[in-house]
Amino acid sequence: DAGITQSPRYKITETGRQVTLMCHQTWSHSYMFWYRQDLGHGLRLIYYSAAADITDKGEVPDGYVVSRSKTENFPLTLESATRSQTSVYFCASSEMNSNQPQHFGDGTRLSIL
Amino acid sequence: GQQLNQSPQSMFIQEGEDVSMNCTSSSIFNTWLWYKQDPGEGPVLLIALYKAGELTSNGRLTAQFGITRKDSFLNISASIPSDVGIYFCAVPGNQFYFGTGTSLTVIP
Repeated sequence: DAGITQSPRYKITETGRQVTLMCHQTWSHSYMFWYRQDLGHGLRLIYYSAAADITDKGEVPDGYVVSRSKTENFPLTLESATRSQTSVYFCASSEMNSNQPQHFGDGTRLSIL
Repeated sequence: GQQLNQSPQSMFIQEGEDVSMNCTSSSIFNTWLWYKQDPGEGPVLLIALYKAGELTSNGRLTAQFGITRKDSFLNISASIPSDVGIYFCAVPGNQFYFGTGTSLTVIP
């Protein structure tokens, strides 16, 4: 079934570990986005990508790395996880340009101990 | 980043009541979007508005794009328990900006 899928849905890891969150979309959308959602802050943009091999920083990029070697995948990596990165992470995609509505995955709930 | 002021922050209403929420910005936008997020899931697009003054409905939901292009409103008529969730306004700009959300609780 077409759509946007995130994996894993839940992840627990320790401070200092590297962790990668996966995002895959089957719509061939040009744009993809990563957000984190925390109480009191709503959705905050971490990184986004306009096309394969093109990525840009969002509002809160520090501590995160992204890549986009293929249009359909947009992994988010925490190179050395910190407790402040405990959050719910959402991936989204949109077609053609960043003015189009975004379609979201179901999220990854990440806990860092 | 761009700040969208969304109000109210939370609402507790009786089933059958109507709901109104709004979103304002200090900047002008050409598109306003409204999303709903159910617990444990990602936001889902409800209504997209592309023209100032536009009034668009989706079932019991009606949204309006303000004339000044700095605000938008969402109304839900005759609320039901499944309307529970968090409602977000959003605008595309250099990046994509979301309001802080309105948490809706419907009491049966």
